[in-house]
Amino acid sequence: TQLLEQSPQFLSIQEGENLTVYCNSSSVFSSLQWYRQEPGEGPVLLVTVVTGGEVKKLKRLTFQFGDARKDSSLHITAAQPGDTGLYLCAGGNSGGSNYKLTFGKGTLLTVNP
Amino acid sequence: GAVVSQHPSWVICKSGTSVKIECRFLDFQATTMFWYRQFPKQSLMLMATSNEGSKATYEQGVEKDKFLINHASLTLSTLTVTSAHPEDSSFYICSARAVWTFRTDTQYFGPGTRLTVL
Repeated sequence: TQLLEQSPQFLSIQEGENLTVYCNSSSVFSSLQWYRQEPGEGPVLLVTVVTGGEVKKLKRLTFQFGDARKDSSLHITAAQPGDTGLYLCAGGNSGGSNYKLTFGKGTLLTVNP
Repeated sequence: GAVVSQHPSWVICKSGTSVKIECRFLDFQATTMFWYRQFPKQSLMLMATSNEGSKATYEQGVEKDKFLINHASLTLSTLTVTSAHPEDSSFYICSARAVWTFRTDTQYFGPGTRLTVL
């Protein structure tokens, strides 16, 4: 069974601060996806990374996939109240018809004005 | 990106009744769809995976006779919660896998359905 350890589970910061969320596993994933979810809504895809060492930037968000494709991080620069939400990392296998995503437990981020 | 819709967005029902949730994939055909449930402030728990034309594969601990999944077509999947009880109250989310290019596959999620069983 593949597991993704996501940390921290809760994070409360002030507007303008930087933060990093981590996802770690002992398993190799074919892809790693990051989602953001607001209360009462479904997760919204932020990014997909597939290559070891890959770095993707989305405005103030920087995503990195570990060289061995076992871990990933999400870094937010100068956080804003609009960044508040539940952030989920999810690792995909390449199992063809047995494909599934393994989710981390999520990071509940609160950015205070 | 792909668009996934769910209906209804919320439903309240009496204990013992059955509830059907529809999930439609609007931009392209989904060969694999997933159903999740989520409790407040927690991550998503996979309930079952369904491939078009095949029976759904349920995760350990999920009752297949209680949570009926029908992957009717490449654009529609339904989840029916039969004889619902208060402990079935949860946020149910569908998802579909999209394979854009080799090794670049992504899951897109519906907006979720809040089920409350009285």
